[in-house]
Amino acid sequence: DIQMTQSPSTLSASVGDRVIITCRVSQSINSWLAWYQQKPGKAPNLLIYKASSLESGVPSRFSGSGSGTEFTLTISSLQPDDFATYYCQFYNSYSWTFGQGTKVEIK
Amino acid sequence: QVQLQEPGPGLVKPSETLSLTCSVSGGSISSSSYYWGWIRQPPGKGLDWIGSIYYSGSTYYNPSLRSRVTISVDTSKNQFSLRLNSVTAADTAVYYCVRHLMIGGNEMGAFDFWGQGTMVTVSS
Repeated sequence: DIQMTQSPSTLSASVGDRVIITCRVSQSINSWLAWYQQKPGKAPNLLIYKASSLESGVPSRFSGSGSGTEFTLTISSLQPDDFATYYCQFYNSYSWTFGQGTKVEIK
Repeated sequence: QVQLQEPGPGLVKPSETLSLTCSVSGGSISSSSYYWGWIRQPPGKGLDWIGSIYYSGSTYYNPSLRSRVTISVDTSKNQFSLRLNSVTAADTAVYYCVRHLMIGGNEMGAFDFWGQGTMVTVSS
């Protein structure tokens, strides 16, 4: 089984900060990685797919990078609406697996 | 715009079967080559993929749940359903129905449309 580690689990940041969240997997998944934002009581919202493709309607301050085993989500300038929990998710052989989540809190 | 809707919150007794149906509007399940799936989230925890079904009926399940899960599609009602047998308290969660992101007929490894989620509690 492929193992995934998302870090950090919690992140404290201020409006305007550059924020980076990392996901590492135990074997190559090429670019089959997605990122989601989830706010309390709401369904997750797709931000990035195929590691670096921005989903339609998602602000350009969100970007994804990486391939193989290490991936990052970057928020270039954190906005008040961005305080939420973020999940990575990978696909491999008809199985879809989520990371543990990163809660982005107000510093 | 596709919309997915699960039923209202539910209570299921331990050892019984959890049944949920997702109604799809804004598009036809049978005329579009999409995968449809179920994801759950225990209270205060992360997301867990349960399983998915292709519009043609091919199914894919999380290995940890495969022995207890059945996902089916009813094209006449534009719905797909989840059945989870022999539930325990560990199955208490918000259950989401989802659509897989497809581009050019290819599954892109992600989920682009989600239902609002329905809370299912397993308790006697």
